Amino acid sequence: LAKTTQPISMDSYEGQEVNITCSHNNIATNDYITWYQQFPSQGPRFIIQGYKTKVTNEVASLFIPADRKSSTLSLPRVSLSDTAVYYCLVVRASGSARQLTFGSGTQLTVLP
Amino acid sequence: DTEVTQTPKHLVMGMTNKKSLKCEQHMGHRAMYWYKQKAKKPPELMFVYSYEKLSINESVPSRFSPECPNSSLLNLHLHALQPEDSALYLCASSPTSGYITDTQYFGPGTRLTVL
Repeated sequence: LAKTTQPISMDSYEGQEVNITCSHNNIATNDYITWYQQFPSQGPRFIIQGYKTKVTNEVASLFIPADRKSSTLSLPRVSLSDTAVYYCLVVRASGSARQLTFGSGTQLTVLP
Repeated sequence: DTEVTQTPKHLVMGMTNKKSLKCEQHMGHRAMYWYKQKAKKPPELMFVYSYEKLSINESVPSRFSPECPNSSLLNLHLHALQPEDSALYLCASSPTSGYITDTQYFGPGTRLTVL
């Protein structure tokens, strides 16, 4: 599976838009990009998944350029409660069980 | 109900003890997973059960023994653990195990301390 690279940490202020970029240079044709959020001492929570262009849901947007070698998670108007670790993953369908391989993640700290 | 429950929340055990972690989901999911997460590190996959059969074992030491009694329940039996096995143990489930759009739902984890 393609290795992902993300910034180790980011700081932001309440009310700002936050963009976290993930690099996945070796992504394969059938791979999808998925983002999870994890609060301390909790399990990861699915945020958003996409294949190309732009995907939006009630909590975030995901931008994927045409070459798909990177992706950007956009969190609009963050609040203190968005402080968490954000993981970018490349996932691939297979005939059997599909593994999630987590990268190092980005610690987002939202400041008042 | 989109919840994965795990018990106990916290567990302290000695190196000679035998204990079990329990995971339950009632979403009708047919794939269930165990992950291990050390402090400040990402989750690492340990085992995958697909339709109640063990399909992936990521070279986990035999002191960890998974069991899937039915499609809703997943256990992790622990025996003769080492202090370095102290970690957050996460259970997850997904609708099936192979579809690209399957989302994994994680439980809150069991915080295990081995003395």
